[in-house]
Amino acid sequence: AIRITQSPSSLSASTGDRVTITCRASQGISSYLAWYQQKPGKAPKLLIYAASTLQSGVPSRFSGSGSGTDFTLTISCLQSEDFATYYCQQYYSYPLTFGPGTKVDIK
Amino acid sequence: QVQLVQSGAEVKKPGASVKVSCKASGYTFTGYYMHWVRQAPGQGLEWMGWINPNSGGTNYAQKFQGRVTMTRDTSISTAYMELSRLRSDDTAVYYCARESYSSGVPPDYWGQGTLVTVSS
Repeated sequence: AIRITQSPSSLSASTGDRVTITCRASQGISSYLAWYQQKPGKAPKLLIYAASTLQSGVPSRFSGSGSGTDFTLTISCLQSEDFATYYCQQYYSYPLTFGPGTKVDIK
Repeated sequence: QVQLVQSGAEVKKPGASVKVSCKASGYTFTGYYMHWVRQAPGQGLEWMGWINPNSGGTNYAQKFQGRVTMTRDTSISTAYMELSRLRSDDTAVYYCARESYSSGVPPDYWGQGTLVTVSS
């Protein structure tokens, strides 16, 4: 199975900050990488797929980049509703695997 | 609008089985895979497998082979996930999530989750 790591595991930030989360796959996955946002008690929400394609309805302050093994999620101007846990997921091969998550909380 | 509505919370004893349902609406049920993903308390997301509602074909994660069964009833647009021989570490929220067969978009709409508690 492809292993996914994320960094940092958590971060504290303020509204208006630029936030970057990285994701690394144990082998090349081309651009088969998605980012999900999860708030406490809620299901994950798809933000970005194909490494950089914004899901319909997701604000443009979210962006993704990368290919192969290294990927990045950037939130350009953090809003109060963005405090959540973020997961990356590879869908290059089965089993689908997720990163351990990055919790973004209020500084 | 697309909705996936799951069955309610369950409490089971070790060794028992649980069957969780996921009722789809707002789209063509047979046009999308249905994945099942679980999340233990305070932990990350773990993929369990998918079912193709059109054919009934399945693809299970090796970890769950022999213990999980995914089925569907197309007449009521509902997918099911049954997990047998439950252990305490199966305590988790179980989610269903759909994925288009051909669009290249990973699971986009998710159910609200079903908490399964395994305790003696």
